[in-house]
Amino acid sequence: AQSVTQLGSHVSVSEGALVLLRCNYSSSVPPYLFWYVQYPNQGLQLLLKYTTGATLVKGINGFEAEFKKSETSFHLTKPSAHMSDAAEYFCAVSDDGNNRLAFGKGNQVVVIP
Amino acid sequence: EAGVAQSPRYKIIEKRQSVAFWCNPISGHATLYWYQQILGQGPKLLIQFQNNGVVDDSQLPKDRFSAERLKGVDSTLKIQPAKLEDSAVYLCASSLGRITGELFFGEGSRLTVL
Repeated sequence: AQSVTQLGSHVSVSEGALVLLRCNYSSSVPPYLFWYVQYPNQGLQLLLKYTTGATLVKGINGFEAEFKKSETSFHLTKPSAHMSDAAEYFCAVSDDGNNRLAFGKGNQVVVIP
Repeated sequence: EAGVAQSPRYKIIEKRQSVAFWCNPISGHATLYWYQQILGQGPKLLIQFQNNGVVDDSQLPKDRFSAERLKGVDSTLKIQPAKLEDSAVYLCASSLGRITGELFFGEGSRLTVL
């Protein structure tokens, strides 16, 4: 069965510093991978996704993620954190092409001025 | 473009009572999903509809949960009777199709069972 592991529920990062959120997946077939963001009192919003092709995927708000099959990873990065990046971030995987997503537990990102 | 609408936003009930949540997806979206998000966990898929047919309800506790999608548009999720462990945020999402389409989520309905 497909699954996602996100370690460290809370992540603190200084404003202007690198944001790195780790995601490792388990899938029996080539996966589709997603990162979603949830701002306070809002619904989940798609940041970026990998389906096929280029393994480095760029998303909204300066975020990007790289699919590494050998490491079964899809880590999310942003070179310079902004206060507006404070939110909860979820990694998700789908391996059946039917858009049924399995989500990780999420990372609550706190940006320190 | 209007987003996914859900109501009510908040609901507090006693255990063994019943509750219903309503979802109106984005116009034209054929696929609709209900997810359950318990505090500290990621969303878990409960049921997926394609138009008004059920694609997957394998994780829906059918002894107490039921869902329907009327005329392939609005959907209702019902819990009867509620248990303490049903306290969660119930998220509705929709997508144009079933294959790798972006899911658009509503703001969720927060249920507290006392």
